[in-house]
Amino acid sequence: SAVISQKPSRDICQRGTSLTIQCQVDSQVTMMFWYRQQPGQSLTLIATANQGSEATYESGFVIDKFPISRPNLTFSTLTVSNMSPEDSSIYLCSVEEPRGEPQHFGDGTRLSIL
Amino acid sequence: KQEVTQIPAALSVPEGENLVLNCSFTDSAIYNLQWFRQDPGKGLTSLLLIQSSQREQTSGRLNASLDKSSGRSTLYIAASQPGDSATYLCAVSNTGTASKLTFGTGTRLQVTL
Repeated sequence: SAVISQKPSRDICQRGTSLTIQCQVDSQVTMMFWYRQQPGQSLTLIATANQGSEATYESGFVIDKFPISRPNLTFSTLTVSNMSPEDSSIYLCSVEEPRGEPQHFGDGTRLSIL
Repeated sequence: KQEVTQIPAALSVPEGENLVLNCSFTDSAIYNLQWFRQDPGKGLTSLLLIQSSQREQTSGRLNASLDKSSGRSTLYIAASQPGDSATYLCAVSNTGTASKLTFGTGTRLQVTL
């Protein structure tokens, strides 16, 4: 299965700033996703990162707040913009390759906003 | 809209017990169902994946079953060990929505010595 590396593993940020999270996969994958896990909650899909085109966002998530890049088949970034304490969560990327196989997740980025 | 519920929310058992975790979903038009394990402060580890056409999958001491028509899945853990302590999540993907996973609320398991 694919090996997924996320950076940073954790960060503490000031209100109003932005942070970019990186997701690197050791093999080419078609499907890459970004999830959010708020404290004490389960995972919610933010968006599907599409290679070479704009990401597909789920209801409740917008590009201005969570811009996503996918320059190639092994790498993606998620930016959390203009952060507020409500953005304190774990952000995880996942991949599925090929379609229908188990999704595999990175270790996540634990984000705290003061 | 798919909704996934897991019961119980938390469970504490002594080492060696067999146990069952439950997962229910509202929309039976699923593509597959996946069980994950999450350790504190960590990402998710995939345990088992059941395709919609399958009834069960087994891996070591773990057995997952699927009853699509009734919207239920169970994860059976045999001879539990303290190392099994973690949060267990089930997630479903629906036909027609690519690979988007809808996650359940999770069951926090503690296996005591």
